[in-house]
Amino acid sequence: EVQLVESGGGLVQPGGSLRLSCAASGFTFSYYWMTWVRQAPGKGLEWVANIEQDGSEKHYVDSVKGRFTISRDNAKNSLYLQMNSLRAEDTAVYYCATDDYGDYAHWGQGTLVTVSS
Amino acid sequence: DIQMTQSPSSLSASVGDRVTITCRASQDIRNDLGWYQHQAGKAPKCLIYAASNLERGVPSRFSGSGSGTEFTLTISSLQPEDFATYYCLHHNSYPRTFGQGTKVEIK
Repeated sequence: EVQLVESGGGLVQPGGSLRLSCAASGFTFSYYWMTWVRQAPGKGLEWVANIEQDGSEKHYVDSVKGRFTISRDNAKNSLYLQMNSLRAEDTAVYYCATDDYGDYAHWGQGTLVTVSS
Repeated sequence: DIQMTQSPSSLSASVGDRVTITCRASQDIRNDLGWYQHQAGKAPKCLIYAASNLERGVPSRFSGSGSGTEFTLTISSLQPEDFATYYCLHHNSYPRTFGQGTKVEIK
């Protein structure tokens, strides 16, 4: 059974940093692009970033470029999102998902990030 | 960036009703579109990929159609477990963008 489990969320002050993790199991992690999606309170879903199978290609939404870094460790079946210079508008539930050339078939349950003083 | 305009933003329907949700892309995205169901507190769920392909395990009452700039998600007979928010998402170029969502509520 495919499982994606996010962790690392929490309360952080504006300007602070946080590193999210997504632990994958039940499938061959290294075969898939992976994606982060977020949902701010009361808002819709927003695509954040994705990463190619070997980590060589990465893409970001403009609002996080230069502040967030997506990475992966295929040996550990794990996906990461390093978030720096956090802002109040980054407050959201963050989901990781498999990305099979546009088919986001599997999702985690999400981890909540709250940016507030 | 490609903008995805989804309509309606919300609708009220009864169990058994046929429901149609539309997504319009600001430029041609071929069939690079999926539909997702999201219920509060749960992980989003893929219903349709490549505009018209039913994701494995998804009931056949869900269907998708369209290509280019106009896309439709249809629920042929609404069931109690279908009350949720639905989103389209394109993967034609970067950044990927979701539609604003359609909240399907009980009439």
